Amino acid sequence: GENVEQHPSTLSVQEGDSAVIKCTYSDSASNYFPWYKQELGKRPQLIIDIRSNVGEKKDQRIAVTLNKTAKHFSLHITETQPEDSAVYFCAASSDSGANSKLTFGKGITLSVRP
Amino acid sequence: DAMVIQNPRYQVTQFGKPVTLSCSQTLNHNVMYWYQQKSSQAPKLLFHYYDKDFNNEADTPDNFQSRRPNTSFCFLDIRSPGLGDAAMYLCATSRRQEQFFGPGTRLTVL
Repeated sequence: GENVEQHPSTLSVQEGDSAVIKCTYSDSASNYFPWYKQELGKRPQLIIDIRSNVGEKKDQRIAVTLNKTAKHFSLHITETQPEDSAVYFCAASSDSGANSKLTFGKGITLSVRP
Repeated sequence: DAMVIQNPRYQVTQFGKPVTLSCSQTLNHNVMYWYQQKSSQAPKLLFHYYDKDFNNEADTPDNFQSRRPNTSFCFLDIRSPGLGDAAMYLCATSRRQEQFFGPGTRLTVL
């Protein structure tokens, strides 16, 4: 089955700096890669996703890049703000039908220092 | 405007006393999921429904059961909760791989 690795487990950046979170996956059949942000006590919230037919996707201050050859994808947050502090989970999926499931990474705690 | 609704938001039960958590959706998505999430961990998939077809994860304990009477509703039954079952339980729905989570039910076992 799929295995998603997420490194590092914690990341601390200064407000205004950029943050990059990387994930690797093992199943070459995976074709969908979402990123979730989870604040303390709240639900995981889908913030951006990418499919295997594109290499990069942007939405304001966040972007995701995908390298299918190397089997890794990254979340980029520019001009970080204290409200970006949260746990971020990457995930991968290879099936859009009856067996559609996400395999999550272990999560990274991002702290943005004011 | 809530799309995935979970009730109750907080549930306290006693050791061994059955409990039912509920989830409803207004998205008309055909896939619904139940996850268990413990502190500082990723959500762990318990089972999912594709329409009425039930899919159990291999490591989901028999203590956990689920029902989906119609497209909109799904229930999680914990037959005999143990202290290790205290967690956040998240319901999610999807149509084409994108999963949307409900607010979760925080279960406390005394």
